[in-house]
Amino acid sequence: DIQMTQSPSSLSASIGDRVTITCRASQSFGKYLNWYQQKRGQAPKLLIYAASSLQSGVPSRFSGSGSGTDFTLTISSLQPEDFATYYCQQSYSTPRTFGQGTKVEIK
Amino acid sequence: QVQLVQSGAEVKKPGASVKVSCKASGYTFTNYYMHWVRQAPGQGLEWMGIINPYDGTTTYGQKVQGRVTMTRDTSTSTVYMELTSLTSDDTALYYCAREIRRRENWFDPWGQGTLVTVSS
Repeated sequence: DIQMTQSPSSLSASIGDRVTITCRASQSFGKYLNWYQQKRGQAPKLLIYAASSLQSGVPSRFSGSGSGTDFTLTISSLQPEDFATYYCQQSYSTPRTFGQGTKVEIK
Repeated sequence: QVQLVQSGAEVKKPGASVKVSCKASGYTFTNYYMHWVRQAPGQGLEWMGIINPYDGTTTYGQKVQGRVTMTRDTSTSTVYMELTSLTSDDTALYYCAREIRRRENWFDPWGQGTLVTVSS
């Protein structure tokens, strides 16, 4: 199974801050990497697919980059509605493993 | 619009079974694989398995292999996930999610989730 490791596990940031979350895979798989946002009490929602493609309707302050084993999710200017938990997921092989999540909290 | 609507919350005793449904609408049901993912309270996302609605073929995760069965009903565009021999460790929110396959693959959308509580 491919192991996905996110860092940090949690972070505190202020409105307007630039936030970066990283995800590392235990083996290389090109761009088969997705990012999901989960707000409290809600189902996960797709933000970024194929490592860097922005899902329709997602604000452009979200961006993704990387390939192979190292990936990054960036929020260019944190907004109040962005406080949530973020998960990376590899879709290269079964099982479709997820990172452990990064909780973004208000400083 | 594409929508996945899941069945309601369940409370089960240890050793019992539960069957959760996920009804799809807004797209051709047999054209997209469906996955099941669960989330224990306060924990992360755990992949459980996949079903191909076209022919019913399945692949299950190691942790639930032997206890889980995923099926589909093409006449109602519904997939089902049945989990047997429940323990308290199975208490979780259970989600279905449609997989889009291009050169890469991703989950969109997700169902709203079904809470399964296992308690004596």
